[in-house]
Amino acid sequence: GENVEQHPSTLSVQEGDSAVIKCTYSDSASNYFPWYKQELGKGPQLIIDIRSNVGEKKDQRIAVTLNKTAKHFSLHITETQPEDSAVYFCAAKVAGKSTFGDGTTLTVKP
Amino acid sequence: SQTIHQWPATLVQPVGSPLSLECTVEGTSNPNLYWYRQAAGRGLQLLFYSVGIGQISSEVPQNLSASRPQDRQFILSSKKLLLSDSGFYLCARGQGTSGSHEQYFGPGTRLTVT
Repeated sequence: GENVEQHPSTLSVQEGDSAVIKCTYSDSASNYFPWYKQELGKGPQLIIDIRSNVGEKKDQRIAVTLNKTAKHFSLHITETQPEDSAVYFCAAKVAGKSTFGDGTTLTVKP
Repeated sequence: SQTIHQWPATLVQPVGSPLSLECTVEGTSNPNLYWYRQAAGRGLQLLFYSVGIGQISSEVPQNLSASRPQDRQFILSSKKLLLSDSGFYLCARGQGTSGSHEQYFGPGTRLTVT
Protein backbone atom coordinates (compact mmCIF):
# COMPACT_ATOMS: atom_id res chain seq x y z
CA GLY A 1 0.00 0.00 0.00
CA GLU A 2 0.83 3.67 -0.09
CA ASN A 3 3.30 5.06 2.43
CA VAL A 4 3.60 8.80 3.08
CA GLU A 5 6.42 10.35 5.08
CA GLN A 6 6.27 13.96 6.25
CA HIS A 7 9.07 16.19 7.53
CA PRO A 8 9.74 17.97 9.76
CA SER A 9 7.47 16.87 12.61
CA THR A 10 7.81 20.30 14.23
CA LEU A 11 8.69 23.66 12.71
CA SER A 12 9.10 27.01 14.41
CA VAL A 13 9.49 30.24 12.42
CA GLN A 14 9.39 33.96 13.09
CA GLU A 15 6.41 35.91 11.84
CA GLY A 16 7.05 37.02 8.27
CA ASP A 17 9.43 34.18 7.48
CA SER A 18 8.64 31.33 5.10
CA ALA A 19 7.81 27.74 6.11
CA VAL A 20 8.33 24.62 4.02
CA ILE A 21 6.95 21.16 4.76
CA LYS A 22 7.94 18.18 2.66
CA CYS A 23 6.29 14.82 1.96
CA THR A 24 7.33 11.75 0.04
CA TYR A 25 5.10 8.95 -1.18
CA SER A 26 5.71 5.43 -2.43
CA ASP A 27 2.90 4.54 -4.83
CA SER A 28 3.51 5.95 -8.30
CA ALA A 29 -0.21 5.53 -9.05
CA SER A 30 -1.13 8.25 -6.54
CA ASN A 31 -2.61 11.15 -8.47
CA TYR A 32 -4.01 13.61 -5.96
CA PHE A 33 -2.10 15.36 -3.20
CA PRO A 34 -4.01 17.53 -0.72
CA TRP A 35 -2.76 19.51 2.25
CA TYR A 36 -4.81 20.00 5.39
CA LYS A 37 -4.57 22.43 8.30
CA GLN A 38 -5.82 21.24 11.66
CA GLU A 39 -6.36 23.56 14.59
CA LEU A 40 -6.57 22.21 18.11
CA GLY A 41 -9.71 20.19 18.74
CA LYS A 42 -11.05 20.62 15.20
CA GLY A 43 -11.27 18.54 12.06
CA PRO A 44 -8.66 19.04 9.30
CA GLN A 45 -9.44 21.68 6.71
CA LEU A 46 -8.36 21.38 3.10
CA ILE A 47 -6.14 24.36 2.29
CA ILE A 48 -4.64 23.48 -1.08
CA ASP A 49 -4.28 20.48 -3.36
CA ILE A 50 -2.47 19.47 -6.49
CA ARG A 51 -3.17 16.86 -9.12
CA SER A 52 -0.59 14.68 -10.79
CA ASN A 53 -0.68 16.55 -14.09
CA VAL A 54 0.40 19.81 -12.46
CA GLY A 55 3.82 20.73 -11.09
CA GLU A 56 2.97 23.76 -9.01
CA LYS A 57 -0.09 25.53 -7.65
CA LYS A 58 -0.35 28.77 -5.73
CA ASP A 59 -3.10 30.37 -3.68
CA GLN A 60 -2.11 33.70 -2.13
CA ARG A 61 0.57 32.93 0.50
CA ILE A 62 0.34 29.17 0.06
CA ALA A 63 1.92 27.11 -2.72
CA VAL A 64 2.39 23.43 -3.37
CA THR A 65 4.95 21.79 -5.66
CA LEU A 66 4.94 18.24 -6.96
CA ASN A 67 7.81 16.20 -8.37
CA LYS A 68 6.29 12.97 -9.67
CA THR A 69 9.61 11.52 -10.77
CA ALA A 70 11.06 11.84 -7.29
CA LYS A 71 7.67 11.17 -5.62
CA HIS A 72 7.73 14.15 -3.37
CA PHE A 73 5.63 17.22 -2.85
CA SER A 74 5.99 20.27 -0.65
CA LEU A 75 3.91 22.96 1.01
CA HIS A 76 5.30 26.50 1.04
CA ILE A 77 3.84 29.24 3.22
CA THR A 78 5.25 32.73 2.74
CA GLU A 79 4.94 35.76 5.01
CA THR A 80 3.82 33.57 7.89
CA GLN A 81 1.42 34.94 10.47
CA PRO A 82 0.62 33.75 14.01
CA GLU A 83 -2.74 32.41 12.79
CA ASP A 84 -0.85 30.02 10.53
CA SER A 85 0.16 28.11 13.67
CA ALA A 86 -1.48 24.66 13.46
CA VAL A 87 -0.76 21.06 12.51
CA TYR A 88 -0.41 20.50 8.78
CA PHE A 89 -1.00 17.14 7.09
CA CYS A 90 -0.13 16.00 3.61
CA ALA A 91 -1.85 13.10 1.89
CA ALA A 92 -1.52 11.02 -1.26
CA LYS A 93 -4.62 9.57 -2.83
CA VAL A 94 -5.03 6.59 -5.13
CA ALA A 95 -8.16 4.61 -6.03
CA GLY A 96 -10.34 6.79 -3.83
CA LYS A 97 -8.33 6.30 -0.64
CA SER A 98 -5.98 8.76 1.00
CA THR A 99 -2.88 7.98 3.03
CA PHE A 100 -1.81 10.74 5.40
CA GLY A 101 1.52 11.85 6.72
CA ASP A 102 2.01 12.08 10.48
CA GLY A 103 1.69 15.85 10.51
CA THR A 104 3.89 18.90 11.10
CA THR A 105 3.26 21.20 14.03
CA LEU A 106 3.97 24.72 12.80
CA THR A 107 4.52 27.49 15.34
CA VAL A 108 4.77 31.07 14.12
CA LYS A 109 6.32 33.33 16.74
CA PRO A 110 5.15 36.96 16.74
CA SER B 1 -23.26 24.20 1.09
CA GLN B 2 -22.11 20.73 1.96
CA THR B 3 -21.92 20.20 5.72
CA ILE B 4 -20.78 17.29 7.84
CA HIS B 5 -22.26 16.82 11.31
CA GLN B 6 -20.78 14.57 13.96
CA TRP B 7 -22.09 13.80 17.41
CA PRO B 8 -21.41 13.70 20.13
CA ALA B 9 -18.52 16.15 20.16
CA THR B 10 -16.94 14.51 23.19
CA LEU B 11 -17.57 11.21 24.92
CA VAL B 12 -16.16 9.45 27.96
CA GLN B 13 -16.98 5.77 28.18
CA PRO B 14 -15.80 2.94 30.46
CA VAL B 15 -13.96 -0.08 29.11
CA GLY B 16 -16.38 -2.75 27.96
CA SER B 17 -19.24 -0.37 27.21
CA PRO B 18 -20.83 -0.06 23.74
CA LEU B 19 -20.21 2.82 21.35
CA SER B 20 -22.20 4.57 18.67
CA LEU B 21 -20.89 7.62 16.83
CA GLU B 22 -22.97 9.24 14.16
CA CYS B 23 -22.08 11.22 11.07
CA THR B 24 -24.55 12.90 8.75
CA VAL B 25 -23.89 14.83 5.57
CA GLU B 26 -25.95 17.61 4.04
CA GLY B 27 -26.06 19.11 0.58
CA THR B 28 -24.81 16.18 -1.46
CA SER B 29 -26.11 12.85 -2.71
CA ASN B 30 -24.33 9.51 -2.95
CA PRO B 31 -21.15 10.70 -1.26
CA ASN B 32 -18.25 8.46 -0.37
CA LEU B 33 -18.04 8.45 3.40
CA TYR B 34 -15.03 7.69 5.59
CA TRP B 35 -14.22 7.10 9.25
CA TYR B 36 -10.75 8.00 10.46
CA ARG B 37 -9.13 7.77 13.86
CA GLN B 38 -6.44 10.17 14.99
CA ALA B 39 -4.31 9.24 17.98
CA ALA B 40 -2.74 12.09 19.97
CA GLY B 41 0.04 13.73 17.97
CA ARG B 42 -0.37 11.35 15.06
CA GLY B 43 -1.76 11.29 11.56
CA LEU B 44 -5.06 9.98 10.35
CA GLN B 45 -5.75 6.27 10.15
CA LEU B 46 -8.51 5.18 7.78
CA LEU B 47 -10.86 2.78 9.53
CA PHE B 48 -13.80 2.34 7.15
CA TYR B 49 -15.11 3.75 3.92
CA SER B 50 -18.42 3.44 2.13
CA VAL B 51 -19.37 4.11 -1.47
CA GLY B 52 -23.11 3.60 -0.91
CA ILE B 53 -25.89 2.40 1.38
CA GLY B 54 -24.98 -0.88 3.04
CA GLN B 55 -21.54 -0.94 1.39
CA ILE B 56 -18.73 -0.89 3.93
CA SER B 57 -15.04 -1.60 3.47
CA SER B 58 -12.84 -2.14 6.49
CA GLU B 59 -9.24 -1.02 6.32
CA VAL B 60 -7.85 -2.43 9.55
CA PRO B 61 -8.90 -5.33 11.77
CA GLN B 62 -10.21 -3.93 15.01
CA ASN B 63 -12.83 -3.76 17.68
CA LEU B 64 -15.02 -1.40 15.66
CA SER B 65 -17.67 -1.72 12.96
CA ALA B 66 -19.43 0.70 10.64
CA SER B 67 -22.82 0.88 9.02
CA ARG B 68 -24.50 3.11 6.45
CA PRO B 69 -28.26 2.79 6.86
CA GLN B 70 -29.03 5.86 4.74
CA ASP B 71 -27.27 7.65 1.91
CA ARG B 72 -26.11 10.52 4.11
CA GLN B 73 -25.65 8.69 7.42
CA PHE B 74 -22.56 6.82 8.56
CA ILE B 75 -22.33 5.17 11.98
CA LEU B 76 -19.31 3.86 13.85
CA SER B 77 -19.99 1.26 16.53
CA SER B 78 -18.42 -1.05 19.03
CA LYS B 79 -19.95 -3.72 21.25
CA LYS B 80 -17.20 -3.48 23.89
CA LEU B 81 -14.75 -0.60 24.02
CA LEU B 82 -11.06 -1.09 24.74
CA LEU B 83 -8.67 1.46 26.24
CA SER B 84 -6.90 1.55 22.87
CA ASP B 85 -10.07 2.83 21.21
CA SER B 86 -9.49 6.27 22.72
CA GLY B 87 -8.83 8.94 20.12
CA PHE B 88 -10.27 11.62 17.89
CA TYR B 89 -12.73 10.15 15.38
CA LEU B 90 -13.29 11.99 12.17
CA CYS B 91 -15.92 11.47 9.53
CA ALA B 92 -15.11 12.62 6.03
CA ARG B 93 -16.88 12.78 2.71
CA GLY B 94 -15.67 12.54 -0.84
CA GLN B 95 -17.39 12.24 -4.18
CA GLY B 96 -17.01 9.59 -6.82
CA THR B 97 -14.48 6.83 -7.15
CA SER B 98 -11.84 8.82 -9.00
CA GLY B 99 -8.65 9.36 -7.07
CA SER B 100 -8.65 13.06 -7.82
CA HIS B 101 -11.60 14.21 -5.72
CA GLU B 102 -11.35 16.36 -2.65
CA GLN B 103 -12.14 15.02 0.79
CA TYR B 104 -13.71 17.13 3.54
CA PHE B 105 -13.76 16.41 7.24
CA GLY B 106 -16.34 16.85 9.97
CA PRO B 107 -15.61 18.47 13.34
CA GLY B 108 -14.71 15.16 15.01
CA THR B 109 -15.63 13.28 18.18
CA ARG B 110 -13.15 13.07 21.05
CA LEU B 111 -13.54 9.62 22.67
CA THR B 112 -11.89 8.80 25.97
CA VAL B 113 -12.16 5.24 27.21
CA THR B 114 -11.52 4.95 30.95
